[in-house]
Amino acid sequence: IAGITQAPTSQILAAGRRMTLRCTQDMRHNAMYWYRQDLGLGLRLIHYSNTAGTTGKGEVPDGYSVSRANTDDFPLTLASAVPSQTSVYFCASSDSRQGNEKLFFGSGTQLSVL
Amino acid sequence: QKEVEQDPGPLSVPEGAIVSLNCTYSNSAFQYFMWYRQYSRKGPELLMYTYSSGNKEDGRFTAQVDKSSKYISLFIRDSQPSDSATYLCAVRKTSYDKVIFGPGTSLSVIP
Repeated sequence: IAGITQAPTSQILAAGRRMTLRCTQDMRHNAMYWYRQDLGLGLRLIHYSNTAGTTGKGEVPDGYSVSRANTDDFPLTLASAVPSQTSVYFCASSDSRQGNEKLFFGSGTQLSVL
Repeated sequence: QKEVEQDPGPLSVPEGAIVSLNCTYSNSAFQYFMWYRQYSRKGPELLMYTYSSGNKEDGRFTAQVDKSSKYISLFIRDSQPSDSATYLCAVRKTSYDKVIFGPGTSLSVIP
């Protein structure tokens, strides 16, 4: 089934550790996004990529980095995790050739930083 | 002021009821309006997409946009237990701009 795969599903992480959340899509969408979802705050954009080789900062980029070496993969890295990064992380993609009308989301990664 | 606001609920209704979910936004430059549905432990999925003011109907769902009052509504007719989810409204200025989400309203439809 085509879509977005995120890994891991959940993770408990000690503060100060490095962590990479993986995201892979098989729809050949050019645009990809990382959101975090927190109770009462909704979905907030962390980083995005409009095409392979380019990335941009969203609303809450501090403490996170991304790379887009190819069309399919868009990993999110926490260089030194802090408790405030405890959240549910969603990767999404869209086909901007159709005006970014529809975002396709993965099932999320539940991350707890202790 | 948040750009998009929603009553978080939770909203609980009996099966068969008409549900009204509402959203307000602050920037009159927004022209595209969306509703996403999110089931527990899943990613959001697009439910409705409208451009500018007016109504759009899809089965039991009707999306309504009033740009003069910056108000977005989603109506669900004959609500079903399978409609129990969190509903996120979302806006964007242009079709290529970033999507801004509201915090979501949690809905429970009781059999």
